[in-house]
Amino acid sequence: QQQVKQSPQSLIVQKGGISIINCAYENTAFDYFPWYQQFPGKGPALLIAIRPDVSEKKEGRFTISFNKSAKQFSLHIMDSQPGDSATYFCAASWAGNMLTFGGGTRLMVKP
Amino acid sequence: DGGITQSPKYLFRKEGQNVTLSCEQNLNHDAMYWYRQDPGQGLRLIYYSQIVNDFQKGDIAEGYSVSREKKESFPLTVTSAQKNPTAFYLCASTPVVGTPNTGELFFGEGSRLTVL
Repeated sequence: QQQVKQSPQSLIVQKGGISIINCAYENTAFDYFPWYQQFPGKGPALLIAIRPDVSEKKEGRFTISFNKSAKQFSLHIMDSQPGDSATYFCAASWAGNMLTFGGGTRLMVKP
Repeated sequence: DGGITQSPKYLFRKEGQNVTLSCEQNLNHDAMYWYRQDPGQGLRLIYYSQIVNDFQKGDIAEGYSVSREKKESFPLTVTSAQKNPTAFYLCASTPVVGTPNTGELFFGEGSRLTVL
């Protein structure tokens, strides 16, 4: 099964708060787990990615936590800012650069 | 600047008409992809191509056709057989041969198709 399930569908966070988006997968053949950020009217862009042999990766305010045994991974946005308001997609990579995407989370950060 | 150019940005079509969406990249990438984006459904793969003159169906290829006659170009035709074509269409590319998997696709800015 190539499915990736993402939750929540939408999220509202106050400025300075922590945004958390969760994803789950079934296929153990997935070999890379990227997150994409998309602003309205634009294409998605890679935000941060993690390999399954790593439990956590941090880049600035963005952190991926990866739980291989539970087949789950999550994106944490610390000190969320209004400029972070966007749609976020988790994804899982297989067979080289083939990606399966989650359903997306629309994040709104209120000032 | 290197990147992916999609055109047109907005397109209106009457039912029963075929339309072609353009995608051009100057990144010298081997692989190109077409995705369809609908609210709450993420990005679904329509077609992809790893090499010139070859392409493969994705998860939702019915009602669509593509060609890959040049490395830099991967146009998508939405045919009248596509029952619900109104959507946001995204083209992407990635280097394939000789590069490690980074999970990164490079996306264009999309084309919004509305069927009237």
